[in-house]
Amino acid sequence: AQSVTQLDSQVPVFEEAPVELRCNYSSSVSVYLFWYVQYPNQGLQLLLKYLSGSTLVKGINGFEAEFNKSQTSFHLRKPSVHISDTAEYFCAVIRMDSSYKLIFGSGTRLLVRP
Amino acid sequence: EAQVTQNPRYLITVTGKKLTVTCSQNMNHEYMSWYRQDPGLGLRQIYYSMNVEVTDKGDVPEGYKVSRKEKRNFPLILESPSPNQTSLYFCASSPYTGEYNSPLHFGNGTRLTVT
Repeated sequence: AQSVTQLDSQVPVFEEAPVELRCNYSSSVSVYLFWYVQYPNQGLQLLLKYLSGSTLVKGINGFEAEFNKSQTSFHLRKPSVHISDTAEYFCAVIRMDSSYKLIFGSGTRLLVRP
Repeated sequence: EAQVTQNPRYLITVTGKKLTVTCSQNMNHEYMSWYRQDPGLGLRQIYYSMNVEVTDKGDVPEGYKVSRKEKRNFPLILESPSPNQTSLYFCASSPYTGEYNSPLHFGNGTRLTVT
């Protein structure tokens, strides 16, 4: 079975500071990896995805993530956060050998303070 | 505007009173799915549909029903709601026709409270 672990339930940071949101997964087969963002009172939006190729993936709003196969990680980073980045962030995976089904992590709430 | 529309946004009901949460998408997507979001658990899939008249169970289907009579609509039905179904529900759709990298498009959610 596959699983997605987001160890940090909440990450408080000051505005303009860098941030890293951690995501680890377990799977017996290769996976596609995604980060989704949920702003208050809204649905989830795709932030970025890793399918193949370069392990550093750039997404919207200045976010990027790096796929590390040996550590089975897909951490999300931003060098300088804004107040508007306050949201909940979800890591998700899809197995390459099965039906189209996303498995989500439990989410990390990013709280950006002035 | 391309979107997934859920109604209602908020719903308070009592145990045992049947309810339906509607979901409609205007993007001609084949795939639609329902999730529930609970604190500390992330999103868990309830049911999904690969096409009209084709539905299947997700991870937490107990107590829910769905139907897919038309491509655009995918209602979620709770025949006899219970307090443990109090949650935030999301409908999502995707153009998926075999490519796993197809992104999901989410509605804005329905917050259900069952007393």
